[in-house]
Amino acid sequence: GNSVTQMEGPVTLSEEAFLTINCTYTATGYPSLFWYVQYPGEGLQLLLKATKADDKGSNKGFEATYRKETTSFHLEKGSVQVSDSAVYFCALTLQPGGYQKVTFGTGTKLQVIP
Amino acid sequence: NAGVTQTPKFRVLKTGQSMTLLCAQDMNHEYMYWYRQDPGMGLRLIHYSVGEGTTAKGEVPDGYNVSRLKKQNFLLGLESAAPSQTSVYFCASSSTGGRSGYTFGSGTRLTVV
Repeated sequence: GNSVTQMEGPVTLSEEAFLTINCTYTATGYPSLFWYVQYPGEGLQLLLKATKADDKGSNKGFEATYRKETTSFHLEKGSVQVSDSAVYFCALTLQPGGYQKVTFGTGTKLQVIP
Repeated sequence: NAGVTQTPKFRVLKTGQSMTLLCAQDMNHEYMYWYRQDPGMGLRLIHYSVGEGTTAKGEVPDGYNVSRLKKQNFLLGLESAAPSQTSVYFCASSSTGGRSGYTFGSGTRLTVV
């Protein structure tokens, strides 16, 4: 089956530090890859996505590159802020059309301290 | 610009009571989903719908029922609540089967005592 593995948290960083959250996947087909973010007390929000190999998704200073050769989709940000404190979920869904189950990772909590 | 709205936001039930959680979306999405989120378990799919009048079971459907009588609404029912159903419930919707990403509601925190 399909699965997503994220690094264990929590991750604690000082403001302006560089962030990497690792995500690797296994899939029976050709997946689309996503990062979602969940701020305290809220639902998940789509942060970025990539649909084919070597695509780079980016949003709000976050980036992730679809690496088919290493089956990875690591999330990075050059300089984190306190407001980035949240739980980050990596996810995948298979293509093509119709309903395809979304497989979520278990989430990585990020805490940014001033 | 409401997106996905869930009601209620919080609820405490006694064991054996019933309740319905309402999810409404204003984006004309075909697909809707109910998830539960528990510590250490991530998100687990309860039921989903691929269009008005359709429903299907997800990973953890036991103890829950759903209905999608109108395209914009997706109801989750608990007929006889159990403490194991204490969780945070999220509704989501999407225009395609998931490839464009999901829009989530802000959640319902349910406690069964």
